[in-house]
Amino acid sequence: DVKVTQSSRYLVKRTGEKVFLECVQDMDHENMFWYRQDPGLGLRLIYFSYDVKMKEKGDIPEGYSVSREKKERFSLILESASTNQTSMYLCASSSGSLGGQETQYFGPGTRLLVL
Amino acid sequence: AQKVTQAQTEISVVEKEDVTLDCVYETRDTTYYLFWYKQPPSGELVFLIRRNSFDEQNEISGRYSWNFQKSTSSFNFTITASQVVDSAVYFCALSEASGNTPLVFGKGTRLSVIA
Repeated sequence: DVKVTQSSRYLVKRTGEKVFLECVQDMDHENMFWYRQDPGLGLRLIYFSYDVKMKEKGDIPEGYSVSREKKERFSLILESASTNQTSMYLCASSSGSLGGQETQYFGPGTRLLVL
Repeated sequence: AQKVTQAQTEISVVEKEDVTLDCVYETRDTTYYLFWYKQPPSGELVFLIRRNSFDEQNEISGRYSWNFQKSTSSFNFTITASQVVDSAVYFCALSEASGNTPLVFGKGTRLSVIA
């Protein structure tokens, strides 16, 4: 079974703090993704990566950065957290045989509250 | 550009009723992939099905069935004899085969099954 884990289920941070959200997958997948989910807006893609040290901007990259130093780990960084970044963050991974078209498998999500 | 529309924001049914969740998509590609995911209250998105554009056969898996109709660009999902455990948010998603485009998700349909 594919296993995608995220470092925290719930996180509370203060405005201006630097926040790291970690995601690890154990299936040797090439592709990894970060989404945020907000009521009424569905899932929106923040960043994705098709290989180690590679990153691509998604639909809403502003205010975020990412790091992929190892194949199994994809980190989302909020350089200076703001209240409008309060959200549910979901990480996903997929195998790379068809680029972005393979099934994505999701982690349990991190609910981030920025005060 | 690819787009997925789930017109039903919320649906409530009584247990044992059948329910159909609609999904309409837009794409210019002839080769593409369609997905359904379930998000229970715990938050993790669970993969349900992946279909490619050349496979128009309807699929049945237990109480779940999917009706893919290219003529109307629809990929609808039916739950037969619904149960309380089916209560969740359901997402339809699309990925085009050209390039390395990630999944595009609909905004989701929240299904509540009442005992």
